[in-house]
Amino acid sequence: NAGVTQTPKFRILKIGQSMTLQCTQDMNHNYMYWYRQDPGMGLKLIYYSVGAGITDKGEVPNGYNVSRSTTEDFPLRLELAAPSQTSVYFCASSQLGGPMGYTFGSGTRLTVV
Amino acid sequence: TQLLEQSPQFLSIQEGENLTVYCNSSSVFSSLQWYRQEPGEGPVLLVTVVTGGEVKKLKRLTFQFGDARKDSSLHITAAQPGDTGLYLCAPQRGGNMLTFGGGTRLMVKP
Repeated sequence: NAGVTQTPKFRILKIGQSMTLQCTQDMNHNYMYWYRQDPGMGLKLIYYSVGAGITDKGEVPNGYNVSRSTTEDFPLRLELAAPSQTSVYFCASSQLGGPMGYTFGSGTRLTVV
Repeated sequence: TQLLEQSPQFLSIQEGENLTVYCNSSSVFSSLQWYRQEPGEGPVLLVTVVTGGEVKKLKRLTFQFGDARKDSSLHITAAQPGDTGLYLCAPQRGGNMLTFGGGTRLMVKP
């Protein structure tokens, strides 16, 4: 099993550009999440989804959008990138939410200049 | 607002030493997980504790959930360089969501 796959691994954006961070999982997990991790910090929840067609805001959703058209895929869209969005982004999935543990991807390191 | 605090934030020790890191909150949790994150990777689940007072062991790592389910600790015996990483506690409140602490960054020097 590949688990949770994130692409790209690294990206540099200019201020105002847009991009989509891709996340796919092959474990048939219902729950999927996007987190950002700033240097030396823990994880902050951006958006999450409890199933295909259902998404909800997390702690820091401003400047981001998500969609969940399939169980496998949960892309994160950045519109009008800003320097404050420089961070490492992690996608995660879980079968039944928290109790079963999250499986994380290896992250996308994004720099906005 | 729930406060979740991990301490210490940073810890640098020599190989062979013992250490304990803490995760504290003012809220009661239904369960709590510990993750380890190595540089350039995503966090990896170490353990889930559910019952107040529960103790779980994973080789040299001992995890304890407080009796009141508001706090947890992770004790590492005879630390090794391979234990280096960011240790994150992640309590679960009601529902299915986890909240991640800021983490304890551990460096074990050979």
